[in-house]
Amino acid sequence: GENVEQHPSTLSVQEGDSAVIKCTYSDSASNYFPWYKQELGKRPQLIIDIRSNVGEKKDQRIAVTLNKTAKHFSLHITETQPEDSAVYFCAACLYTGTASKLTFGTGTRLQVTL
Amino acid sequence: EPEVTQTPSHQVTQMGQEVILRCVPISNHLYFYWYRQILGQKVEFLVSFYNNEISEKSEIFDDQFSVERPDGSNFTLKIRSTKLEDSAMYFCASSEGAGGDTQYFGPGTRLTVL
Repeated sequence: GENVEQHPSTLSVQEGDSAVIKCTYSDSASNYFPWYKQELGKRPQLIIDIRSNVGEKKDQRIAVTLNKTAKHFSLHITETQPEDSAVYFCAACLYTGTASKLTFGTGTRLQVTL
Repeated sequence: EPEVTQTPSHQVTQMGQEVILRCVPISNHLYFYWYRQILGQKVEFLVSFYNNEISEKSEIFDDQFSVERPDGSNFTLKIRSTKLEDSAMYFCASSEGAGGDTQYFGPGTRLTVL
């Protein structure tokens, strides 16, 4: 089955700096890669996603890149703010023909300090 | 904006008891999912459901687990005889389609098995 590795597990940056989180996946059939932000005790919230026919996608301060050949994808947050502090999960989605199954990475705890 | 809702927010039960976790997916969505997250760990896929049947399930989803869509709006997860290791946050999710459609997560039910 699919396996998703995520690094780093914790990341501390100063406000205004950039943050980069990296993920790799194992199943080349995975075709959709969402990123979720989870605040303490809350639900995972989708922040950005990318499909396998696209190499890069940007939404204001957040961007995601995908390298299908190397099977890795990354989240980039620029001009970080304290409210960006949360746990970020990458996921790879495998469509089996009847269902989409998300396999999550182990999460990155991002701390943005003043 | 429509959201996935879940009840109860917190369920405490004794080991060996049956629990039913309830979800109301977004109304025009056709695919439904259950995930669980043990405290401090990643989100794990349990099961997907489409057209009134299970379309995919993980190794975690053994005979103790079942899902049902008893009416046009609710989607339930039943654990027949709870174990201590079932203690986790259980998230319901729904999507309009499969094959890379965004999965929207509910707020979760925290299950504590004593």
